[in-house]
Amino acid sequence: DAGITQSPRHKVTETGTPVTLRCHQTENHRYMYWYRQDPGHGLRLIHYSYGVKDTDKGEVSDGYSVSRSKTEDFLLTLESATSSQTSVYFCAIKSGTSVYEQYFGPGTRLTVT
Amino acid sequence: QKEVEQDPGPLSVPEGAIVSLNCTYSNSAFQYFMWYRQYSRKGPELLMYTYSSGNKEDGRFTAQVDKSSKYISLFIRDSQPSDSATYLCAMSATAGNQFYFGTGTSLTVIP
Repeated sequence: DAGITQSPRHKVTETGTPVTLRCHQTENHRYMYWYRQDPGHGLRLIHYSYGVKDTDKGEVSDGYSVSRSKTEDFLLTLESATSSQTSVYFCAIKSGTSVYEQYFGPGTRLTVT
Repeated sequence: QKEVEQDPGPLSVPEGAIVSLNCTYSNSAFQYFMWYRQYSRKGPELLMYTYSSGNKEDGRFTAQVDKSSKYISLFIRDSQPSDSATYLCAMSATAGNQFYFGTGTSLTVIP
């Protein structure tokens, strides 16, 4: 398995509270991605990073922010969680020399009540 | 219109059958194509990838891309119960930035 972990693995939170999800890698890969997976929508890109402090928006970035201060960590923050952000969140990593090979973490199941 | 369309299934086949999974897309700029397999409550894992048009074979799996029709396929020969999973197609126009995924097709192979 690629060295990628996500924390927490499960979280239940209330509407309006801030939430931060963490992705940690030990592969020293350049690219890191945050996706959400929902029934009927599949995997959708939220934000991605192509280097330390270099990030860009994906197709569903509204309501989310990210930060990457170290190569190994990529944080996803929900500033004020809403019920529509209830989802399974996956982090993925990819080396700068690979076009295709994203490796996914185990996922974080987030429920916003 | 979604960038990538994929029939969600579910698809149920007997062991040993040939399985055909398909995706269509609308963005003619896509040139990198991938298939992922996802077991229940796990992260997706890369199964196969191809660049531009053509076929690629890896063991029991064959990936096909027809850019003129904006259509990609994954064929699984001699399907096994261990192939039971959700299969997601993915594609990208650029090398490494934004990937667009299909919704996934749920496959069950019955022993």
